[in-house]
Amino acid sequence: DGGITQSPKYLFRKEGQNVTLSCEQNLNHDAMYWYRQDPGQGLRLIYYSQIVNDFQKGDIAEGYSVSREKKESFPLTVTSAQKNPTAFYLCASSTGPGQPQHFGDGTRLSIL
Amino acid sequence: QKEVEQDPGPLSVPEGAIVSLNCTYSNSAFQYFMWYRQYSRKGPELLMYTYSSGNKEDGRFTAQVDKSSKYISLFIRDSQPSDSATYLCATQTGANNLFFGTGTRLTVIP
Repeated sequence: DGGITQSPKYLFRKEGQNVTLSCEQNLNHDAMYWYRQDPGQGLRLIYYSQIVNDFQKGDIAEGYSVSREKKESFPLTVTSAQKNPTAFYLCASSTGPGQPQHFGDGTRLSIL
Repeated sequence: QKEVEQDPGPLSVPEGAIVSLNCTYSNSAFQYFMWYRQYSRKGPELLMYTYSSGNKEDGRFTAQVDKSSKYISLFIRDSQPSDSATYLCATQTGANNLFFGTGTRLTVIP
C-alpha cells in the first residue's frame, strides 16, 4: 500500500538533546512537508522540500533542521534550541505546489 | 488576523442529522480549498479538494466554496457515529504553504 510512514509514534526528549523524527513515503511524490500541531492552533509549517537536496523554511523553522537526500525520505531534527518542542509532528507529501497534501499518522514528542 | 478562521466547536449532533462546518479566509489569492478529517492520535485524511468557487459532492459529503464572501463549507448528510472526528479546512494560493483552520470537533451521537 502506498502511503507515508512516520516513526516513532511517541518520542521523549531530555533537556539539551537533539532528536530526529523519521518520515518515509512511497507515493513517488516530489514535495514533502513538516507541520507542527498544537491544541487550538491548527497546523503550522516548519519546513518543506520540493525536490531532493533542496528545502525551504516555513513559518516556524527556528530550532528545527531537515535534510532531503532521497526523494522518499525527509527527516526532521528537533534541536535543543527549540525551547517548546512538545507537540504532535506531522509529515505530508504531494505531487507539487497547489496539489493536495497527504499526511502520515504523526509523531508525538514530549519532554522528560 | 489569521489567514483562515474556523469555529472550534465542539459540535454534537444526533445520528442522521445534517452537519454544516464552516470556515472564512482573508486572502483573495487563495484558489485551492481542502477539507481534512482527523481522528484522535491520527494524521489528517483528505476528504475533499476543490479549485475556485462552486460545489463538489462525494457520497454524503458536499464541499462548497464562495470566493465572493471568502467562505468555505462542508456538509455531511445522514451523519454517522463514525463521522465523529475533528474537521480541518485548509486553503492555498498554489504555492507550497497550506493554511489551516484550527479544526472543529464533531461528535455524532447514536
